[in-house]
Amino acid sequence: AQSVAQPEDQVNVAEGNPLTVKCTYSVSGNPYLFWYVQYPNRGLQFLLKYITGDNLVKGSYGFEAEFNKSQTSFHLKKPSALVSDSALYFCAVRPPGAAGNKLTFGGGTRVLVKP
Amino acid sequence: GAVVSQHPSRVICKSGTSVKIECRSLDFQATTMFWYRQFPKQSLMLMATSNEGSKATYEQGVEKDKFLINHASLTLSTLTVTSAHPEDSSFYICSARDLAKTYNEQFFGPGTRLTVL
Repeated sequence: AQSVAQPEDQVNVAEGNPLTVKCTYSVSGNPYLFWYVQYPNRGLQFLLKYITGDNLVKGSYGFEAEFNKSQTSFHLKKPSALVSDSALYFCAVRPPGAAGNKLTFGGGTRVLVKP
Repeated sequence: GAVVSQHPSRVICKSGTSVKIECRSLDFQATTMFWYRQFPKQSLMLMATSNEGSKATYEQGVEKDKFLINHASLTLSTLTVTSAHPEDSSFYICSARDLAKTYNEQFFGPGTRLTVL
């Protein structure tokens, strides 16, 4: 069975400082990994994904994530956080192949960027 | 592209009534749609996978007779919460899989907040 862990319920960071949101996963085979962001009372917005290729993935709004197979991690990063980045972030994993359409989400990490 | 809409965005109903939530893929065809439930400050929990033209596949612990899913076309899936009770109050989110996209990405709707009085 696949699983995703986001060890931090909340991350606080000052505006302009680097932001990191941690994610580790467990899945058979080579995973498909995703990051989504959710603003209050809204659905999920796609940020980025890792399928194959370069371990460093660049996504929307200046976010990037690094796939680390040995550590089974896919941490989300942004070099300089903005107040508007304050939101709920979800990491998700999906096994590859047609049979693996289900996304499994981590518990979410709330990011608070203070001015 | 790849826009998914949900209607209504917010609904309040009395206990015992049924509520229908629509999920539409606006600019792509989706043979598969997914329904999630999210409680406050919690993650998304997959309720069921909706396949166009066939019966939905429910996750363990989800009552199929209570949460009726219909996926009658390639752009529309509906979730009906039957005989709703206050414990059904939640944020319901759908997603749709775009067959034309490599790796069959899922795109999420904006969610529907259901409050059962």
